[in-house]
Amino acid sequence: AQKVTQAQTEISVVEKEDVTLDCVYETRDTTYYLFWYKQPPSGELVFLIRRNSFDEQNEISGRYSWNFQKSTSSFNFTITASQVVDSAVYFCALSEGSNAGNMLTFGGGTRLMVKP
Amino acid sequence: DTGVSQNPRHKITKRGQNVTFRCDPISEHNRLYWYRQTLGQGPEFLTYFQNEAQLEKSRLLSDRFSAERPKGSFSTLEIQRTEQGDSAMYLCASSFPPLADPSTDTQYFGPGTRLTVL
Repeated sequence: AQKVTQAQTEISVVEKEDVTLDCVYETRDTTYYLFWYKQPPSGELVFLIRRNSFDEQNEISGRYSWNFQKSTSSFNFTITASQVVDSAVYFCALSEGSNAGNMLTFGGGTRLMVKP
Repeated sequence: DTGVSQNPRHKITKRGQNVTFRCDPISEHNRLYWYRQTLGQGPEFLTYFQNEAQLEKSRLLSDRFSAERPKGSFSTLEIQRTEQGDSAMYLCASSFPPLADPSTDTQYFGPGTRLTVL
């Protein structure tokens, strides 16, 4: 069965520090999708990124970057020059199969606190 | 374009009562999902619909839970004879998988309904 593990339950950094959130997944499927969502204090999950299992290219979007490594079953998320507004709970998620819209299996989340 | 909306945002009920939540997906999204999130945990899948058809149900969805999407638009989730263990945030999401490329499908979440069972 699929599983997502986010070993870091809470991380605290000072503004402008770089921070990496770890995500390790388990699946028997060869086709799958990985996601990151942000959950600010308001509670609504905000979609950040989707990657499919055939695309291991790293991606950068502004201060955010993602490192996907199939060899270690990891999909890590780095925030460069963190800001107070980045404070939130971040979830990594997995969906199996050829349709990216299949049910999501979430990790337990990492609470990021960015202090001014 | 409005996002996914859920009502009510908060519900407090006594054990044994029935409750019903409503989810309105993003317009024209044909897939609708329900998840449950307990404090300090990640969301857990409950069920999903494609149009009005309920295609998958988690084993978490006990007999006391029922979800409907009668016209393929909004959905309701009912919990009968609530128990204290039902206290959680109930999240709804919707998506529109492009026929040409379902690999680009993405679930967009609503603000959730927080249920407290006393």
